[in-house]
Amino acid sequence: EIVMTQSPATLSMSPGERATLSCRASQSVSSNLAWYQQKPGQAPRLLIYGASTRATGIPARFSGSGSGTEFTLTISSLQSEDFAVYYCQQYNNWPYTFGQGTKLEIK
Amino acid sequence: QVQLVQSGAEVKKPGASVKVSCKASGYTFTTYDINWVRQATGQGLEWMGWMDPNSGNSGYAQKFQGRVTMTRDTSISTAYMELSSLRSEDTAVYYCARVMGVGASQRRLLDYWGQGTLVTVSS
Repeated sequence: EIVMTQSPATLSMSPGERATLSCRASQSVSSNLAWYQQKPGQAPRLLIYGASTRATGIPARFSGSGSGTEFTLTISSLQSEDFAVYYCQQYNNWPYTFGQGTKLEIK
Repeated sequence: QVQLVQSGAEVKKPGASVKVSCKASGYTFTTYDINWVRQATGQGLEWMGWMDPNSGNSGYAQKFQGRVTMTRDTSISTAYMELSSLRSEDTAVYYCARVMGVGASQRRLLDYWGQGTLVTVSS
C-alpha cells in the first residue's frame, strides 16, 4: 500500500497570504494525485486531479504541481473560506490512499 | 443536480453488522461507480472500496476484505455498504461518493459525496 505523507500537519496563515502544502508518496504515483478540501461537518470536495488540473468550479487561486513522489498544493491568496483541512490522495495503485491531512488555520 | 442522500446514524454493538444506504438522484445511476470512504472522528480519510452499479462488480481494500459488501438496487437508484463483525475501531462517518466519469482515471476520482452516516460501535 502506498503511504502518503503530508506536511506540515498544521499551517497558520493570514488571509491574503500564499499557502504551500506538501505531499509525498512512498513510491511513484506518476501524476495520479488529487487534492481534496474538507470543512468541519462537511464531506470532502475535489479540488485538483492529475496533480495539476482544477476540478470544475474551483477558483484559479488553487494550483497543484509535482509528479512521481513530490507534490504541492498552492493557494495564491488565501480567502476566509479557504481555511479547512486539505488531503492529498493517490489513485495510481489500489487501494487508493489519502494523506493524513494538513489543517490550514487562521493566524 | 446530482445528489447522494445517505441513511441516518446507527448505533451498533460489537460483533453486529451495519448496512448504510446511499440514494442517488440527478443522473443515470448505472453510469457511474459508487465508492465508500470512511473517517473516524478527528482522523483522516480511508478508502474502503468501489462498486459498479451497472454490473454489480465491486472491489474492496484488503483491510476490509471478508467484512464489507457493497451492493445496489438499480430499481431505486440506491447503493448499500454493509460492514460486519463490527468493533469499536469501526466507529466513524461513512461516506458514499460518485466517481467523476467513466474513463480509467475518472473512475478513481470522487466528485459528488453523500452527507455521511455516523456509525457508532459501542457495548
